[in-house]
Amino acid sequence: AQSVTQLDSQVPVFEEAPVELRCNYSSSVSVYLFWYVQYPNQGLQLLLKYLSGSTLVKGINGFEAEFNKSQTSFHLRKPSVHISDTAEYFCAVRGFQKLVFGTGTRLLVSP
Amino acid sequence: DTEVTQTPKHLVMGMTNKKSLKCEQHMGHRAMYWYKQKAKKPPELMFVYSYEKLSINESVPSRFSPECPNSSLLNLHLHALQPEDSALYLCASSQGGLNPSEAFFGQGTRLTVV
Repeated sequence: AQSVTQLDSQVPVFEEAPVELRCNYSSSVSVYLFWYVQYPNQGLQLLLKYLSGSTLVKGINGFEAEFNKSQTSFHLRKPSVHISDTAEYFCAVRGFQKLVFGTGTRLLVSP
Repeated sequence: DTEVTQTPKHLVMGMTNKKSLKCEQHMGHRAMYWYKQKAKKPPELMFVYSYEKLSINESVPSRFSPECPNSSLLNLHLHALQPEDSALYLCASSQGGLNPSEAFFGQGTRLTVV
């Protein structure tokens, strides 16, 4: 069965600093991976996805992620964060007819 | 149009009430989902409809009753809920079938059971 692990429950960072949010996956079949962001009291918004092809995936709001099959990872990165990036970030893998989410990482950006 | 619309945005109901949550999408998606999300937790899958048929029920109590009247609409009927059912209820849709596409989420309904 597919699963994802987000090891960091919270990542504090200063504004304009780079950030990496970690995600490791487990899958016995073809891997389809996603990063979603959730702002307070809102739904989930897709940041980026990996379905196939280039292992470096660029998404919205300046985020990117790299699919690494040998390390079974799909870490999310941004070279310079803004205060407005403060939110909950979920990594997800597509299972049979559903998305399986990690436990989430809270990104806290301070001035 | 890449929106999934959920109504109402907020709902307060008593334990003896009957209410319904509604979800609508016009992207031609054939898979629709209900998720429940408690504070500081990831979304938990409740139900999946594929081509208007219930394909996954994650052992959800019968006080939650889903309905998919057509390919654009998804309802969640609520009856005799408990205070612990208070949560954010999220609807999502995706292309369906064997297509490994992303899911699009609505803004959710914040449900409070009193």
